[in-house]
Amino acid sequence: DAGITQSPRHKVTETGTPVTLRCHQTENHRYMYWYRQDPGHGLRLIHYSYGVKDTDKGEVSDGYSVSRSKTEDFLLTLESATSSQTSVYFCAISESLGHTYEQYFGPGTRLTVT
Amino acid sequence: LAKITQPISMDSYEGQEVNITCSHNNIATNDYITWYQQFPSQGPRFIIQGYKTKVTNEVASLFIPADRKSSTLSLPRVSLSDTAVYYCLVGEGNNDMRFGAGTRLTVKP
Repeated sequence: DAGITQSPRHKVTETGTPVTLRCHQTENHRYMYWYRQDPGHGLRLIHYSYGVKDTDKGEVSDGYSVSRSKTEDFLLTLESATSSQTSVYFCAISESLGHTYEQYFGPGTRLTVT
Repeated sequence: LAKITQPISMDSYEGQEVNITCSHNNIATNDYITWYQQFPSQGPRFIIQGYKTKVTNEVASLFIPADRKSSTLSLPRVSLSDTAVYYCLVGEGNNDMRFGAGTRLTVKP
């Protein structure tokens, strides 16, 4: 399995509080992604990164920000959590971007906003 | 951007061949089609990827017709361990990627 870890694995927080999720990889892959997974929606891309300090928005980026200061770490921040952000969050990495890419997913973080 | 449609669920029996179809009517010229498998409490795992015609690897085949508006994942002789959710992904990369909502496959003894 690809070396991807996510922390925390589970978190319960209150509405309005800031939350940061961390994704750490040991594969030295250039591309990193954050997805959320909700019933009936599959996985939806929040943000992705194509290098240190290089990020772009995905399909559902509102209410989320990201940072990547090192190749191995990609942080997802909810500045002020809302109940609609209760979800399972997956980080993924890939070596290349484009039609030959294969994404490797982390184990996920279950976030509950009360 | 491609709108992706897959059946919500399918049932099968051990030893049968399973075909899961994904519809992507407005697929773009540069888009590839990728399938992932996900077990409970785990992240999705890559199964197979293709652009057109047929692709086969050690675990599955992917059939894509000439118009590329759909694709079919074929799992030969499924076992209980193939019970999982299967996702179709269409796109070239970055924020053009779209996952379907997933097909829950249940394999019965």
